[in-house]
Amino acid sequence: AQSVTQLDSQVPVFEEAPVELRCNYSSSVSVYLFWYVQYPNQGLQLLLKYLSGSTLVESINGFEAEFNKSQTSFHLRKPSVHISDTAEYFCAVSPYNNAGNMLTFGGGTRLMVKP
Amino acid sequence: DTGVSQNPRHKITKRGQNVTFRCDPISEHNRLYWYRQTLGQGPEFLTYFQNEAQLEKSRLLSDRFSAERPKGSFSTLEIQRTEQGDSAMYLCASSLELGEKLFFGSGTQLSVL
Repeated sequence: AQSVTQLDSQVPVFEEAPVELRCNYSSSVSVYLFWYVQYPNQGLQLLLKYLSGSTLVESINGFEAEFNKSQTSFHLRKPSVHISDTAEYFCAVSPYNNAGNMLTFGGGTRLMVKP
Repeated sequence: DTGVSQNPRHKITKRGQNVTFRCDPISEHNRLYWYRQTLGQGPEFLTYFQNEAQLEKSRLLSDRFSAERPKGSFSTLEIQRTEQGDSAMYLCASSLELGEKLFFGSGTQLSVL
């Protein structure tokens, strides 16, 4: 079984400041890792994923996440946030053997970007 | 491509009634998933289909929950004899193939009074 812990339920930050959203996971098997984002009144959208290869993965809108196997973490970072980044962010894992179908999500982190 | 569509958007029902939700996936997607999200929590996996075959249903919360995808296109999720604890957002998602990203619908918000 897998579990995902997002340590911060809310992260307030000023526009143009850097941000890190923390994610730790627990699993007895190897996993794939994901970050999903939910903007207000919209469905969940995939932000980025780690399947294999380079441990640093990037999204098209400036977010990046680094897989750290020894610390079982997959923290999400952005060097300079915008008002439009205000959303709820969910970290998720799935075991290798179902490749992203049966996702286990964390409780979410609400990012609130203030002007 | 209009994305994943879920109906209704909101459903209010009395305890003990049966409810059914519908999900229309993206048309060429053969995999379809149901998740449940309660307030302040992340989505919780319930079940998934590959075409019309239900490949995983052990995570359905009780025998009051059932899902179908009769022709491998749309799917329905039924909850019988609803309880107040069933109040949640029910999310549907679809994907083209194993390992491809999931596209989520906006969900059906169920309130059981």
